[in-house]
Amino acid sequence: KAGVTQTPRYLIKTRGQQVTLSCSPISGHRSVSWYQQTPGQGLQFLFEYFSETQRNKGNFPGRFSGRQFSNSRSEMNVSTLELGDSALYLCASSLRGQAVTYEQYFGPGTRLTVT
Amino acid sequence: DAKTTQPPSMDCAEGRAANLPCNHSTISGNEYVYWYRQIHSQGPQYIIHGLKNNETNEMASLIITEDRKSSTLILPHATLRDTAVYYCIVRSNDYKLSFGAGTTVTVRA
Repeated sequence: KAGVTQTPRYLIKTRGQQVTLSCSPISGHRSVSWYQQTPGQGLQFLFEYFSETQRNKGNFPGRFSGRQFSNSRSEMNVSTLELGDSALYLCASSLRGQAVTYEQYFGPGTRLTVT
Repeated sequence: DAKTTQPPSMDCAEGRAANLPCNHSTISGNEYVYWYRQIHSQGPQYIIHGLKNNETNEMASLIITEDRKSSTLILPHATLRDTAVYYCIVRSNDYKLSFGAGTTVTVRA
């Protein structure tokens, strides 16, 4: 079974631009969660989507948004990029969502650099 | 949310057991303890979870104290490939996994 895939793997953007990251979960998994990882703040939860609905949200500004499609693939968008948005963005999928399923399977991440 | 405290780093000899401690003194009765690890440049990998009883799977064992205020992850026979950052996490009632700084485990030959 193929794992969680994320595209692109690396991205360089300039301040003020916007970016869209993509995540394809493991086949059959309906939940996708997004995390931001930085050296200073560690791994922080952004949001979780299940069956195209946002079920949970972390403490991030409204510039960070996401969506999930009917095939469970998910995208996250960051608008008006700031230097502090430079991070590794990780996506994780699980069978029925964090409220039910204990295991999350993480993708390799997208390394975003904002200059 | 219950917070966890882990030592920042530890070394382990290859082939020996690695015992990783975690304190979670504010854990509530229905909060699970999870362990994940992250090998350099990869996404985190689920290892094991538990509530009250000790748990074992093909990767590790989890020992939770009777008062549930601390736990220990045991890697029975550490290999060089076990070198990673290990995160002890308490899943909060709102189901958000909060990863702390973790313990950097270095397995030495």
